[in-house]
Amino acid sequence: GAGVSQSPSNKVTEKGKDVELRCDPISGHTALYWYRQSLGQGLEFLIYFQGNSAPDKSGLPSDRFSAERTGGSVSTLTIQRTQQEDSAVYLCASRREGNTEAFFGQGTRLTVV
Amino acid sequence: RKEVEQDPGPFNVPEGATVAFNCTYSNSASQSFFWYRQDCRKEPKLLMSVYSSGNEDGRFTAQLNRASQYISLLIRDSKLSDSATYLCVVILGDSGYSTLTFGKGTMLLVSP
Repeated sequence: GAGVSQSPSNKVTEKGKDVELRCDPISGHTALYWYRQSLGQGLEFLIYFQGNSAPDKSGLPSDRFSAERTGGSVSTLTIQRTQQEDSAVYLCASRREGNTEAFFGQGTRLTVV
Repeated sequence: RKEVEQDPGPFNVPEGATVAFNCTYSNSASQSFFWYRQDCRKEPKLLMSVYSSGNEDGRFTAQLNRASQYISLLIRDSKLSDSATYLCVVILGDSGYSTLTFGKGTMLLVSP
């Protein structure tokens, strides 16, 4: 596609349920990042995928969070046993190799009730 | 010291004013720098890259000072539509692996 695509755009879930968020990066972009942004706050880094290398998971806040990237393209962020503090906008970004800019998807707004 | 620091603001300026934001970074090996703009409840979008020699795009001028490890963004003749949060971004690493670090953003409010 022309840009980074994320789905769903909005997700309301009950506390304790698992959710999956999807990111489809720009074709040919080898780097993919997940961020989380709570209302009025900055971007919080979650995880970084670069090609076939092991991902940088240093930003994942707990073991309830996991992500994978299949075939070097689509990525899925999974949150297990969701908590209210998980409510935020989850943003995905992708970029080409080299010192190039990142392009963001429109985000998934997650609300845990 | 945080990796990338920005004054959160808000900067309240009247239309037509000139306003400048700074952003400092801690890792001297950082290689690439960008300014992004984020409107309320929207995703960040690239405003401009920052080059060592400085660069200008219309009313916007970006500067890099490697010796002091800061980048700046100057906005001339502010418009109401410039109201947004401005994020500085620093890239560290080579083409095989590079981290992307965002500042928390500076909020700009332009009033009539």
